[in-house]
Parts: sequence; C-alpha cells; structure tokens
Amino acid sequence: AIQMTQSPSSLSASVGDRVTITCRASQDIRNNLGWYQQKPGKAPELLIYAASSLQSGVPSRFSGSRSGTYFTLTITSLQPEDFATYFCLQDNTYPWTFGQGTKVEIK
Amino acid sequence: QVQLQQSGPGLVKPSQTLSLTCGISGDSVSSNTAGWNWIRQSPSRGLEWLGRTHYRSRWYNDYAPSVKSRVIISPDTSKNQFSLQLNSVTPEDTAVYYCARDQDVSIWTPFDYWGQGTLVTVSS
Repeated sequence: AIQMTQSPSSLSASVGDRVTITCRASQDIRNNLGWYQQKPGKAPELLIYAASSLQSGVPSRFSGSRSGTYFTLTITSLQPEDFATYFCLQDNTYPWTFGQGTKVEIK
Repeated sequence: QVQLQQSGPGLVKPSQTLSLTCGISGDSVSSNTAGWNWIRQSPSRGLEWLGRTHYRSRWYNDYAPSVKSRVIISPDTSKNQFSLQLNSVTPEDTAVYYCARDQDVSIWTPFDYWGQGTLVTVSS
C-alpha cells in the first residue's frame, strides 16, 4: 500500500498566521490527493481535491500544491474556525490511504 | 444536497458480525458517476479506507487488503442505501465507522459527502 507521511503531527499557531502542512507519498500518485479538515466529534470535510482544486464552498485562504510526491496544504491567514485536524488522502491506487493527521492548535 | 444517514448497533461481541447501513438522499446508489465507501477511524489505526461499491453498467466492489477476507459492501437499490458487513470482529475493529461518497463528474472528487459516523465497540 502507498504510505502517506504527513508532517508535522501538530503545530501551534495564532490567528492570522500562515500555516503549511505537508504529505509525502511513498510512490507516484500523480495529482490524486485530497485534503480534509476534521473537528472533534465530526466527520472529515473535503477542502482540496486533485492536489490543488478548491472544493465548492471552501474559503480561498485554503490552497494545495504538488511537487513530485510532495503535497502541501497552505492556509494563508488562519482563522479561529480553522483550528482542527487536517488529513491528506491518496486516491490514486487501491487501497486508498490517509496521512496520520496534523492537529492545528491555538498558540 | 446529498445526505448520508448511518444506522446500526454500537456494540458487537467478539467473533460476531458488524453490520451498518448508510441511507442515501439526494443521489442514487445506482448512479453511474458515484461510488459508495466505508471508512473507519481509531486512535491506533487513524483513518482507514475499507472498501467501495459502485455501478458502471454492472456492480463493482473494491476492498482494502487489511479486511478483504472479512468484509462485504453491498448496495440495496430498493431502499437507496448500501451496507457494510465485517465478519469475525475483534477488539481491534473498535472504531468510528463512516460512509462516504466519491464522484466522477468531469473531474474526480473523493469523499465529498460523509455520514455522521457510528462508534462501534467490540466487546463481550
């Protein structure tokens, strides 16, 4: 199975900060990567698909990019509602696999 | 607006079968552009995709190797729902289980709608 190595596992940031989260795929997954946000007790919500496409209704402060097998989620100006856990997902090859998550906490 | 509503027991005894159902509104389980998935989440295993059913002129199923010998995901077209059966459960199958949709309309979109989640505990 393709391994998705996500980093960091947690970070502390302030409102207004720029935040970057990275996932590295263990092999080529082309652009087949999604990013999700999850709040406690809730199901994950899709933010980004196809590495860089913004899901409908998601604020434009969220963006995704790819460089080879490295994928990045960027939040340009962190808002109070953005404190949550973020996951990446590769949907290129079965079994689809998730990163271990990044918890974004308030500094 | 698509909605997925999960139902099923929250407690299952070891060696028995875990059964959950996901009711669909706003889409069809027989859609030629959607796939219907089960995913689980636990502290020890994180998020784990279990498998998928989808219809493309005929029914297809794909399962994660970790559960392939024990899992069945099946559609019920008469009730517009799909179900998960996981056999011979152990405490390691304790997790929050989610159903989720993927879609392939002009561009592929993974897991754009999710059920509310069901905590299933495997214990005697």
